Amino acid sequence: AQKVTQAQTEISVVEKEDVTLDCVYETRDTTYYLFWYKQPPSGELVFLIRRNSFDEQNEISGRYSWNFQKSTSSFNFTITASQVVDSAVYFCALSAFTGGGNKLTFGTGTQLKVEL
Amino acid sequence: NAGVTQTPKFQVLKTGQSMTLQCAQDMNHEYMSWYRQDPGMGLRLIHYSVGAGITDQGEVPNGYNVSRSTTEDFPLRLLSAAPSQTSVYFCASSYSNRVNNEQFFGPGTRLTVL
Repeated sequence: AQKVTQAQTEISVVEKEDVTLDCVYETRDTTYYLFWYKQPPSGELVFLIRRNSFDEQNEISGRYSWNFQKSTSSFNFTITASQVVDSAVYFCALSAFTGGGNKLTFGTGTQLKVEL
Repeated sequence: NAGVTQTPKFQVLKTGQSMTLQCAQDMNHEYMSWYRQDPGMGLRLIHYSVGAGITDQGEVPNGYNVSRSTTEDFPLRLLSAAPSQTSVYFCASSYSNRVNNEQFFGPGTRLTVL
């Protein structure tokens, strides 16, 4: 069975601080994909990134970066120089073949609050 | 493209009432699914469909029915609403059932059952 753990329920930072959101996953598949979604206060789910299990290169997109480490089954998300607009709930998710194809297993989410 | 649309945005039901949450997509996606989001539990899969005429159960299917008569639509039916079904419901679609496909989510329906 697949499992995604986001141990940080809520994080509060002051604007311009860097913040890392942790994600640890469990799967027996060798081929799987990891995702991050953002849910702003308006409620919609916004896709941020997809990473496959064979690509351990770190990814950077503007102020966002992702660190994928298969050795520790982690896919952490860092926001550099955080802004108030980054305030949202962030979900890590996993899809794998034995999970039934494209069925996403979500973590419980991390609420990020960025204050002035 | 409108993407994934859901109606209604908000709904209040009384225990025992029935209703249908509508979901439609205009991207010609084969795979569609329904999730519910509850505080502290993330999103959990209710039902999914890999194509018209094909549906299957997810993690929390009890109390919900689905059908997929067209590629575009995937309605979720609550036959006899219960307070435990108070939640935010998201519909999602993707090109196929392949694990690497990005899922596109609708805006959600907030349902309260009294």
